[in-house]
Amino acid sequence: DAKTTQPPSMDCAEGRAANLPCNHSTISGNEYVYWYRQIHSQGPQYIIHGLKNNETNEMASLIITEDRKSSTLILPHATLRDTAVYYCIGGGRGGTASKLTFGTGTRLQVTL
Amino acid sequence: NAGVTQTPKFRILKIGQSMTLQCAQDMNHNYMYWYRQDPGMGLKLIYYSVGAGITDKGEVPNGYNVSRSTTEDFPLRLELAAPSQTSVYFCASRPPGTGDGRNQPQHFGDGTRLSIL
Repeated sequence: DAKTTQPPSMDCAEGRAANLPCNHSTISGNEYVYWYRQIHSQGPQYIIHGLKNNETNEMASLIITEDRKSSTLILPHATLRDTAVYYCIGGGRGGTASKLTFGTGTRLQVTL
Repeated sequence: NAGVTQTPKFRILKIGQSMTLQCAQDMNHNYMYWYRQDPGMGLKLIYYSVGAGITDKGEVPNGYNVSRSTTEDFPLRLELAAPSQTSVYFCASRPPGTGDGRNQPQHFGDGTRLSIL
């Protein structure tokens, strides 16, 4: 699985967009980029994933650079409930067991 | 739909005791995983299974055993509990990738908080 690098912490004002960066320069061509978050000590919650193209769902948008060496998770209108640790993970090649390697993530603090 | 259910939610063990952490999923997922999370750290993979009767080691398997006799259940066994195994344990499952190879995300349970004294 690809090694990922994320800033340890970020702050965001409520109602503003939260842009969380991730570097995954060693990602291979068939590895996906996954984003999960963990609120308090709950189980990780899936947010979004993508391979090459940008992706959007009801929770967030994922922007992947053309060279696939980095990506940005965008929470368009952050709320206090989005305060969590966000994990960027490179892995999940097709046809494998899709083991995911979690780093220490980015602790996002949303403030009033 | 219950998703991934882990029991117990909390447990305190004495050194040398044994126990089984239970994990059940009702989504008919063939892939299942066990992770541990130490304070302030990310999750580390202990064992995983790609289907009933098939298991394999992850990053930190020492001190643990697993079995997968059914699609629904994937119990994790600690035979001789040690203080280093104090952690939060998460179970996850996912279905196989879709026909275009696009892998599906993992669904996690709420965890078992285990303290060994």
